[in-house]
Amino acid sequence: AQTVTQSQPEMSVQEAETVTLSCTYDTSESDYYLFWYKQPPSRQMILVIRQEAYKQQNATENRFSVNFQKAAKSFSLKISDSQLGDAAMYFCAYRRFDRGSTLGRLYFGRGTQLTVWP
Amino acid sequence: SQTIHQWPATLVQPVGSPLSLECTVEGTSNPNLYWYRQAAGRGLQLLFYSVGIGQISSEVPQNLSASRPQDRQFILSSKKLLLSDSGFYLCAWSPWDRGHTEAFFGQGTRLTVV
Repeated sequence: AQTVTQSQPEMSVQEAETVTLSCTYDTSESDYYLFWYKQPPSRQMILVIRQEAYKQQNATENRFSVNFQKAAKSFSLKISDSQLGDAAMYFCAYRRFDRGSTLGRLYFGRGTQLTVWP
Repeated sequence: SQTIHQWPATLVQPVGSPLSLECTVEGTSNPNLYWYRQAAGRGLQLLFYSVGIGQISSEVPQNLSASRPQDRQFILSSKKLLLSDSGFYLCAWSPWDRGHTEAFFGQGTRLTVV
């Protein structure tokens, strides 16, 4: 079974500072994808960043970057220059593809609630 | 462009009543479709997924069922709701080909069973 663990239920950061959200996952697969989704108070799920397991280079999207440690099964999200609009629930997610299928079940952690202080 | 619609946005139902939540996707064909439930402090739990019309797989045994009567329509149902069915339900879709790996979510339905 695949599990995703987010050990930080809540985190807070000062505006303009940097914060790192942690995520670990458990899998026996070698081909998979990892994601960070953001859920603001509107509860709309928004993709923040994705990482392909076969890529060694860490993904980056503007102020968001990841630290992907495949051997350690760790996938942390770093938010630089935090903004008030970054305040949200952040979910780490793992996706595997069934062999011979294009179906990829997506599994989520329990989330980290990020507060940004002005 | 592709869009996903989910309704209703909010629903209050008595225990023992039936349920029908609907989700439709526009602008794509043969999407993979998913139903998730989000309970407080528990993240998103995958309930059902579908790769095509009439093809439904259940991830977790429960009081709910799903159907896919048309290519881009996914329905979540229950014959008799339980209090434990309360939660926030999200429909999602992903492209059938592996060139795109992320899933896209609807706006969600907040279900309260009273």
